[in-house]
Amino acid sequence: KAGVTQTPRYLIKTRGQQVTLSCSPISGHRSVSWYQQTPGQGLQFLFEYFSETQRNKGNFPGRFSGRQFSNSRSEMNVSTLELGDSALYLCASSSQTGINEQFFGPGTRLTVL
Amino acid sequence: AQSVAQPEDQVNVAEGNPLTVKCTYSVSGNPYLFWYVQYPNRGLQFLLKYITGDNLVKGSYGFEAEFNKSQTSFHLKKPSALVSDSALYFCAVRDYQTGANNLFFGTGTRLTVIP
Repeated sequence: KAGVTQTPRYLIKTRGQQVTLSCSPISGHRSVSWYQQTPGQGLQFLFEYFSETQRNKGNFPGRFSGRQFSNSRSEMNVSTLELGDSALYLCASSSQTGINEQFFGPGTRLTVL
Repeated sequence: AQSVAQPEDQVNVAEGNPLTVKCTYSVSGNPYLFWYVQYPNRGLQFLLKYITGDNLVKGSYGFEAEFNKSQTSFHLKKPSALVSDSALYFCAVRDYQTGANNLFFGTGTRLTVIP
């Protein structure tokens, strides 16, 4: 089975721009979660999608948004980029809620200049 | 509120010696506990989980963890460390009662195994 894939792997943007990151979960997984990883704040939960519905959201401003498609692929969008948005963005998929572990993709490294 | 604490930013151990990476948790209900490892420029890899049952959980690459409810701890252990175990280790918790699927992570512990 192919793992979680994320595209692109690296991105460089300037302040004020917007960016869209993509995540393809493991085949058959319907839950996709997004996390932001920074040296200062560590790993923080952004949001989770299940069957095209956002089920849970972390404490991030409205500039951060996401969606999930019928094939479970997910995108996250960050508008009006700020320098502090520079981070590794990780996507994780799981087959269902509760006891199953999440499988993480390699991440997208976003640098905001 | 749910949280995880990893009290040590850095753990150094000699190759062949046993290793322990500490984790304590706080949740309102019963916890689901996880350990992940991260190698440089990579995503997180799942090592093991505790859901219920036996307090000693065995996972990938020879790692195991012991769930201690009275001490609210879930320490990661390995009997004999390898140089290739050097990486960043994260403990995470999911709150059973909320039903939410997201994980709350600790700040991570960097393990260095010295040859």
